[in-house]
Amino acid sequence: SQQGEEDPQALSIQEGENATMNCSYKTSINNLQWYRQNSGRGLVHLILIRSNEREKHSGRLRVTLDTSKKSSSLLITASRAADTASYFCATDEFSGNTPLVFGKGTRLSVIA
Amino acid sequence: GAGVSQSPRYKVAKRGQDVALRCDPISGHVSLFWYQQALGQGPEFLTYFQNEAQLDKSGLPSDRFFAERPEGSVSTLKIQRTQQEDSAVYLCASSLTGLGANVLTFGAGSRLTVL
Repeated sequence: SQQGEEDPQALSIQEGENATMNCSYKTSINNLQWYRQNSGRGLVHLILIRSNEREKHSGRLRVTLDTSKKSSSLLITASRAADTASYFCATDEFSGNTPLVFGKGTRLSVIA
Repeated sequence: GAGVSQSPRYKVAKRGQDVALRCDPISGHVSLFWYQQALGQGPEFLTYFQNEAQLDKSGLPSDRFFAERPEGSVSTLKIQRTQQEDSAVYLCASSLTGLGANVLTFGAGSRLTVL
């Protein structure tokens, strides 16, 4: 079963614009991660945010976490055509004894 | 090796055939995970190894699915008597330690098509 639900399912923007993707989850978590998947490839880890953190930055990426709403957002600033990919959030449950559970993903298209 | 290696990258099987998918994780990584990804969906957990011990196989969809990691490194996912609904990409991932705040390193996947 998939815990995370990304929103929107698909997003198309112009190069240079910002892209925002949202993720909602159901149970209490220890950490939330975001991964990127280029077509026909495996997933690549982008960023991890712990349940006691509210915001984290990595280059052009900004992640927020609201545990009261059980939601997270991923912002990609100044998007590039190379950012075209599917983006997934993944959570591990508070018990710490479960594997990562992935959402269904957001398909981002950045048009040059 | 430098990354997680999976083989074959593509496999076409006739319904009823057995298939074996191989995963070579990053050297020294304790944990190994198998996920199944249907077209347009996120990865769904199948099973998890810590060294050679299979600690969680709750995601295996039926007893036709079997995974092993006999020496705590290379793992094989075997699917017996394949069905059309088994068509998917099978992703292997490894991580340095056990569960918890683990960053997974994924292989490129094995795409299985059952005719």
